[in-house]
Amino acid sequence: GQQLNQSPQSMFIQEGEDVSMNCTSSSIFNTWLWYKQDPGEGPVLLIALYKAGELTSNGRLTAQFGITRKDSFLNISASIPSDVGIYFCAGLTSGSRLTFGEGTQLTVNP
Amino acid sequence: SAVISQKPSRDICQRGTSLTIQCQVDSQVTMMFWYRQQPGQSLTLIATANQGSEATYESGFVIDKFPISRPNLTFSTLTVSNMSPEDSSIYLCSTQEHSNQPQHFGDGTRLSIL
Repeated sequence: GQQLNQSPQSMFIQEGEDVSMNCTSSSIFNTWLWYKQDPGEGPVLLIALYKAGELTSNGRLTAQFGITRKDSFLNISASIPSDVGIYFCAGLTSGSRLTFGEGTQLTVNP
Repeated sequence: SAVISQKPSRDICQRGTSLTIQCQVDSQVTMMFWYRQQPGQSLTLIATANQGSEATYESGFVIDKFPISRPNLTFSTLTVSNMSPEDSSIYLCSTQEHSNQPQHFGDGTRLSIL
């Protein structure tokens, strides 16, 4: 089946630093999604990308849909303590089936 | 996006028993899904809940263990049957308005089996 390789698995950063994480796949996806999951909650959609090469921002978050359609990255600028959580990438092929990456655990030290 | 409510939010159950998890959406949605998230892991799709017909299960998941109902476009249930400690996980429901659109998730049901 399809697999998404998400890296890094975890990050420990200081408040104010920028963060970058990415996902790669051997398969092509039509849509790339980035979610954040806080403890005790379900994943919340951060950014959706629909076209190869698309670069989209949501506040301090920026994500790009790779030109080959096999990768995506998420950047967080000027991190703050509430950015702590697990970030998941997910890819959609045609239809509804979502494939999730393994997640990146982000810790922000004040 | 639709507001998704799951009940119960958590439970502790005895081995061999069954638990039914409910997922209620505040508006009609085309697609509903059930996922499992084992401790420290990513999300794994259990099945697609089809309105008015049998659910479509992913490899490794069977109807006898995880029966699913979807009587209408706003409600679905997942039953975890004959539970064992290996079933201790978070179970999440999600919705999707249209094909190729993002899925949105409920807050999950945290299940522990003793």
